[in-house]
Amino acid sequence: QQQVKQSPQSLIVQKGGIPIINCAYENTAFDYFPWYQQFPGKGPALLIAIRPDVSEKKEGRFTISFNKSAKQFSLHIMDSQPGDSATYFCAASILGNNLFFGTGTRLTVIP
Amino acid sequence: GAGVSQSPSNKVTEKGKDVELRCDPISGHTALYWYRQSLGQGLEFLIYFQGNSAPDKSGLPSDRFSAERTGGSVSTLTIQRTQQEDSAVYLCASIKDRAGNGYTFGSGTRLTVV
Repeated sequence: QQQVKQSPQSLIVQKGGIPIINCAYENTAFDYFPWYQQFPGKGPALLIAIRPDVSEKKEGRFTISFNKSAKQFSLHIMDSQPGDSATYFCAASILGNNLFFGTGTRLTVIP
Repeated sequence: GAGVSQSPSNKVTEKGKDVELRCDPISGHTALYWYRQSLGQGLEFLIYFQGNSAPDKSGLPSDRFSAERTGGSVSTLTIQRTQQEDSAVYLCASIKDRAGNGYTFGSGTRLTVV
């Protein structure tokens, strides 16, 4: 059973566009929601994370929006660049416990 | 070291053979995780080590899979009698402690069973 559902599976945007990746979860006990970025041949790297006490968190061009009542959260990448082309994973956990990952979104930013 | 180191980076093995995958976590990190990444399947939790506590093996897919962590540092994931469905990237991650934020992943071992 997939604890965290992620969509879309792949996404292609033009440079400067704003790709949005969505995730949904069922376990209301989850209280930590990170996003990871993975380049080919590398392990995932933590990009940004949010706790459920806030509805939005922004770090540079990356923003997480969090909707606790809908049990959904999303990643927005502002002014996307070709260097942002990577696979993005959302995840969720009860802080201090195992992370459950989404299935990933392959993002391609066209110059 | 500065990061999580995994070896080998690639491994091709024949069906039925045993393989060992190694992970060197960040020095001082007490928690270590193994995940498996299959195409289109995301990251699947396998096993977790925290200090001297008994490991959480709840994610191991079968009794052909085992892992150990020696001296609270280096970990080895062993797959016995490999099957083609074991082909995947095996990722190791460490974290300073369980209350910390964010795993640091290694680059993984790509295992191909032929």
